[in-house]
Amino acid sequence: EIVMTQSPATLSVSPGERATLSCRASQSVSSNLAWYQQKPGQAPRLLIYGASTRATGIPARFSGSGSGTEFTLTISSLQSEDFAVYYCQQYNNWPYSFGQGTKLEIK
Amino acid sequence: EVQLVQSGAEVKKPGESLKISCKGSGYSFTSYWIGWVRQMPGKGLEWMGIIYPGDSDTRYSPSFQGQVTISADKSISTAYLQWSSLKASDTAMYYCARLHSSLDYWGQGTLVTVSS
Repeated sequence: EIVMTQSPATLSVSPGERATLSCRASQSVSSNLAWYQQKPGQAPRLLIYGASTRATGIPARFSGSGSGTEFTLTISSLQSEDFAVYYCQQYNNWPYSFGQGTKLEIK
Repeated sequence: EVQLVQSGAEVKKPGESLKISCKGSGYSFTSYWIGWVRQMPGKGLEWMGIIYPGDSDTRYSPSFQGQVTISADKSISTAYLQWSSLKASDTAMYYCARLHSSLDYWGQGTLVTVSS
């Protein structure tokens, strides 16, 4: 099974600043990597697929990069609605797997 | 509009059986895999398994193999997740989602509480 490891577990950033979240795979997943956002009491929402393609309706301040085993989600200028938990997920090999999440909190 | 609508919250006792549902609409239900994801209280997301409603091909994550059964009835565009004997540790929110490489559309979740 592929293990996905996210860092940091918690990230404190001020509104308007840039946030960078990392995700590492235990073996190559090519570009078969997605990012999700989850707010309290809500279902997760797809942000990025194919490592770098924004899903429908996702603002341009969200961007993804990386391939193989190292991936990054960048939020260029944090808005109040962006404070949430973010998960990466690989879909290169079954069983697909999620990272443990990064909580993005207001500094 | 693509929608996945899940059945309502359940409260059960240990040892009881349960089947929850996920009804798809707004797309060809038989053409996309459906995934089930568990989220225990205060914890992260866990893949349980996937099913292709077109032919009921099913795959389970090793942690959930033998613990749950995933099925689908394509005639009513509905996928199911069932337990034959619930445990307190099955208490969680369960999500279904459409698998189009990634999980692009999600149900609202079904909260299952197992308590004596």
